[in-house]
Amino acid sequence: QVQLQESGPGLVKPSETLSLTCNVSGASISRNYWSWIRQPPGKGLEWIGHVYYSGSTNYNPSFKSRVTISVATSKNQFSLKLTSVTAADTAVYYCARVFGSSGWFYFDYWGQGTLVTVSS
Amino acid sequence: DIQMTQSPSSLSASVGDRVTITCRASQSISSYLNWYQQKPGKAPKLLIYATSSLQSGVPSRFSGSGSGTDFTLTISSLQPEDFATYYCQHSYSARWAFGQGTKVEIK
Repeated sequence: QVQLQESGPGLVKPSETLSLTCNVSGASISRNYWSWIRQPPGKGLEWIGHVYYSGSTNYNPSFKSRVTISVATSKNQFSLKLTSVTAADTAVYYCARVFGSSGWFYFDYWGQGTLVTVSS
Repeated sequence: DIQMTQSPSSLSASVGDRVTITCRASQSISSYLNWYQQKPGKAPKLLIYATSSLQSGVPSRFSGSGSGTDFTLTISSLQPEDFATYYCQHSYSARWAFGQGTKVEIK
């Protein structure tokens, strides 16, 4: 059974860097794409970006140059870094496995989500 | 970038009703469209991928159709456990996006 678990600080100060890790079990991270998605309180889902096990990435342009997603194959983990955070970055952050090929990609396994609050 | 617009944003329906949710893309996305269900406090759950393929374990009352820019999710007979928020999501380009969601509430 594939399981994903987010971890990281639940509180981040404005202008600092949000860092989260997703631990993957039941599947090798050396396959598929792996993604981060967030959901501000009471709002909809927002795709942040995804990483391939090789390290190649694609990001939502709305995050401009603030976001970095990386993979640690030896630990079967991938990570999210979001710099210069503001209150607008307060959200539940989900990690998810991307399944599919040839353009037909979808999120088939999700972590439970972790709430990150940006506040001083 | 491709924008996804769902309609309605919310709807009220009764158990047993047939429910249809629409998702429109700002440009053609072929059939690269997926649907998710989210209940309060829970992670989203994949229902349908590639427009009309039912994810394993999802009841057959859920179905999807469409192509190009217009897509629909249909629940043939609404059950109590189906009251939730539904999202569409495209994977047409390297930059993916979700619709804003449709909340299905009890009438």
